[in-house]
Amino acid sequence: DAKTTQPTSMDCAEGRAANLPCNHSTISGNEYVYWYRQIHSQGPQYIIHGLKNNETNEMASLIITEDRKSSTLILPHATLRDTAVYYCIVRLPRGDDKIIFGKGTRLHILP
Amino acid sequence: DAGITQSPRHKVTETGTPVTLRCHQTENHRYMYWYRQDPGHGLRLIHYSYGVKDTDKGEVSDGYSVSRSKTEDFLLTLESATSSQTSVYFCATGQGTSTDTQYFGPGTRLTVL
Repeated sequence: DAKTTQPTSMDCAEGRAANLPCNHSTISGNEYVYWYRQIHSQGPQYIIHGLKNNETNEMASLIITEDRKSSTLILPHATLRDTAVYYCIVRLPRGDDKIIFGKGTRLHILP
Repeated sequence: DAGITQSPRHKVTETGTPVTLRCHQTENHRYMYWYRQDPGHGLRLIHYSYGVKDTDKGEVSDGYSVSRSKTEDFLLTLESATSSQTSVYFCATGQGTSTDTQYFGPGTRLTVL
């Protein structure tokens, strides 16, 4: 079973920031939080990951709470192309630690 | 995106026939993975490889075998395809380090009649 809990679906207006929450209350000290997304019929796409500090890259920002029990993925200026299923995953940064995909959040960007 | 290709992209076959799916990478990543994706189940790991000739099972490995004779190629074989193996199959690669993640291929849609 996935170690994370995410809302089933969310809507966001185009051009606004999309904030996707994730709960991971059982995360262990050396597990990272990863975010992926899957656009319809395509392979999952890596977005960002972090351990305890907030992270930002060209796609998104990741905000992890101080107790590390939850996080938020922020897409700063959502576009229609950001419509996808977003997966929050907790895992060790090791090749043999599998990625367990839960059901994710279906994000709809509204024009 | 990492240079990952999968072949074929689509395949229709009959129950009982052998099927081999190929994953090819140009990134020289150490780890390679095969997942399947089905409605209601998300992505599930079938097998993975941590080096040439080094493989291990995932959570849904029954009915599947894999081989990795070169760093860049990872083959998934269904020895005798069944209708329950109708699915979309994704290959992924990664270095397995703390700064790395997994990169996914475009997928292969397999239909077993």
